[in-house]
Amino acid sequence: SQELEQSPQSLIVQEGKNLTINCTSSKTLYGLYWYKQKYGEGLIFLMMLQKGGEEKSHEKITAKLDEKKQQSSLHITASQPSHAGIYLCGADGSGGYQKVTFGIGTKLQVIP
Amino acid sequence: GAVVSQHPSWVICKSGTSVKIECRSLDFQATTMFWYRQFPKQSLMLMATSNEGSKATYEQGVEKDKFLINHASLTLSTLTVTSAHPEDSSFYICSAILPGRTEAFFGQGTRLTVV
Repeated sequence: SQELEQSPQSLIVQEGKNLTINCTSSKTLYGLYWYKQKYGEGLIFLMMLQKGGEEKSHEKITAKLDEKKQQSSLHITASQPSHAGIYLCGADGSGGYQKVTFGIGTKLQVIP
Repeated sequence: GAVVSQHPSWVICKSGTSVKIECRSLDFQATTMFWYRQFPKQSLMLMATSNEGSKATYEQGVEKDKFLINHASLTLSTLTVTSAHPEDSSFYICSAILPGRTEAFFGQGTRLTVV
C-alpha cells in the first residue's frame, strides 16, 4: 500500500524565515497534492504536481516533484503568521484520485 | 474556487443515537464524493467513496452498516453514523472532485462528539 512520510512533523520558525517541508513516497506517484489545514477545519488545496521535475508556485509557496516522482518538497519563502497551520501531502498512486493517501502532516508555527 | 459545504460544523450526541452529516457541492455537480475521518494528531483516513446513484465503496476496516452513505443527488452526499459510541468521536470531512479537474475540494469538516 502507498505510504507517505512527511518531515519534519513539527516546525517553528521566525517570521520572515524560509522553510522546507518534505514528503517521500514508498512508490512512484501518479500525482502529489499539497494541502493546508488548520486543525478542526477544512483543507485548502495548494497545488498538485504530476510530472517528474515539475515545479509550481503560488505566492510565496513553491512545490517541486522530483524526477522519479517519489519525493516532493514544499518551500515557503519569507514566512508569515498566516502561513501557520498543518501542511498535508497527499499521494495519488492510481491516477483516479480514489485512493489518495495522506501523510501525517507537518505542523508549522510562525513566530512574529 | 469551487465550494464544498458540510453541515453541521459540530455536533454532540448521546451514545446509541444516530447522527447525519451532509456534504454539498454548492456550485458544481459532483458524481463522486469522498468521506474522511481524522483523529487528533493523525492524518486523514479515507473511509469511503460516495457515488451518485449507486452504493458507496468502503475502505477496508470501515463498517458499512455503521457508517451509512447516501449520494442521492449530484450535489449532496450524507454520512450517517448509526448507534454512535464515544470511540466514533472524531473530525469527519468530505471532499468532491470538480468535473474535468484533478484536485479535490474539501468541506470545512464536522466535529462529532459522542457522550
